[in-house]
Amino acid sequence: EAGVVQSPRYKIIEKKQPVAFWCNPISGHNTLYWYLQNLGQGPELLIRYENEEAVDDSQLPKDRFSAERLKGVDSTLKIQPAELGDSAVYLCASSLTGQPWDTQYFGPGTRLTVL
Amino acid sequence: KQEVTQIPAALSVPEGENLVLNCSFTDSAIYNLQWFRQDPGKGLTSLLLIQSSQREQTSGRLNASLDKSSGRSTLYIAASQPGDSATYLCAVRGDNQGGKLIFGQGTELSVKP
Repeated sequence: EAGVVQSPRYKIIEKKQPVAFWCNPISGHNTLYWYLQNLGQGPELLIRYENEEAVDDSQLPKDRFSAERLKGVDSTLKIQPAELGDSAVYLCASSLTGQPWDTQYFGPGTRLTVL
Repeated sequence: KQEVTQIPAALSVPEGENLVLNCSFTDSAIYNLQWFRQDPGKGLTSLLLIQSSQREQTSGRLNASLDKSSGRSTLYIAASQPGDSATYLCAVRGDNQGGKLIFGQGTELSVKP
């Protein structure tokens, strides 16, 4: 069974440019998470989806970040415009449901470098 | 607000040594605690998950303990190998629906041949 797929794996852009990350969760998983991991830190939740509904986006900087999960499967996270401080790894995870007993499975992440 | 702290931030040991990684959390109202491994450029791999009612979990050379009342967990690695070199993260999950994981900052382990 395929795991969580993310693309691209690496992205280098100049500041003020837009960027988008894509995530394909494990088949059948209703809950999808986007995490931000800064260098030397643990991941922090940006947004959680239950099917196509964003149910926890309290940590998402809405002035420049946006996300969508059309049809409740794949998801896209966008930054526009990117800032130097956005350089980090963006991790996607999925689980069967959002219940605390369900294991979250993580993708390999997208490493963003903003110059 | 739940906060998770891991000590030490980095650890270097010779091959064959037994070692302990520490994790502490401020709010004891957790559902479970999980230890992850992260290799450079890779995602997170779950190693052990301890439910709040459990005291420890074991998998091969790994043993994780949980003392919920004191807000502490340890990950014990026996007979360390160079292949164990990675960053180890602990994360706690609260009782509420949503499964939000709160991570520590990780311990970077290097096992020298």
